[in-house]
Amino acid sequence: NAGVTQTPKFQVLKTGQSMTLQCAQYMNHNSMYWYRQDPGMGLRLIYYSASEGTTDKGEVPNGYNVSRLNKREFSLRLESAAPSQTSVYFCASSELQGSSPLHFGNGTRLTVT
Amino acid sequence: QKEVEQNSGPLSVPEGAIASLNCTYSDRGSQSFFWYRQYSGKSPELIMFIYSNGDKEDGRFTAQLNKASQYVSLLIRDSQPSDSATYLCAVIRGSYIPTFGRGTSLIVHP
Repeated sequence: NAGVTQTPKFQVLKTGQSMTLQCAQYMNHNSMYWYRQDPGMGLRLIYYSASEGTTDKGEVPNGYNVSRLNKREFSLRLESAAPSQTSVYFCASSELQGSSPLHFGNGTRLTVT
Repeated sequence: QKEVEQNSGPLSVPEGAIASLNCTYSDRGSQSFFWYRQYSGKSPELIMFIYSNGDKEDGRFTAQLNKASQYVSLLIRDSQPSDSATYLCAVIRGSYIPTFGRGTSLIVHP
């Protein structure tokens, strides 16, 4: 999905290492989201940014931090990776929070050993 | 009770049949409802959205919303093997947070 780009596509970390997942949207959307997807658990919201300059916790924020760098970019940081953070991470954006559909990036498959 | 519930399936239907996927939600303040399709190893893609009670049709897809009973469904007519995927129901609740169900796996067999 060229509208929302995520990097990297794959990453392997050792326990305790840190990394930042990058996300950029090119649709001039106001709201951005980070989800993780685990087998049998569906998509769970980690953090979201309703608009530039604001960020809020979602359902599973522990172990993560985010930065809304500007209207286009929303990054997710793992300060000290744990095996429980092995997952597929999706960034998404929407025009407005509360009514607009989400547009997803292609995902990042993260493995923590 | 999870806020958005879907039967995990798999739902298996023959090619050409109607596939019926259901989703229930707990927050009566929910206002926007979406269906996404996700192929294995890929990201979710939007199929349909519905905001008002009743039916909304788009090609082979029909979304049905009943706010009084707190359910939303997706019908796929003339199902094709290419429709085999996981279908995710998403609900935007009164808090304006998008929440997803765990998805229903659909298998369309020739």
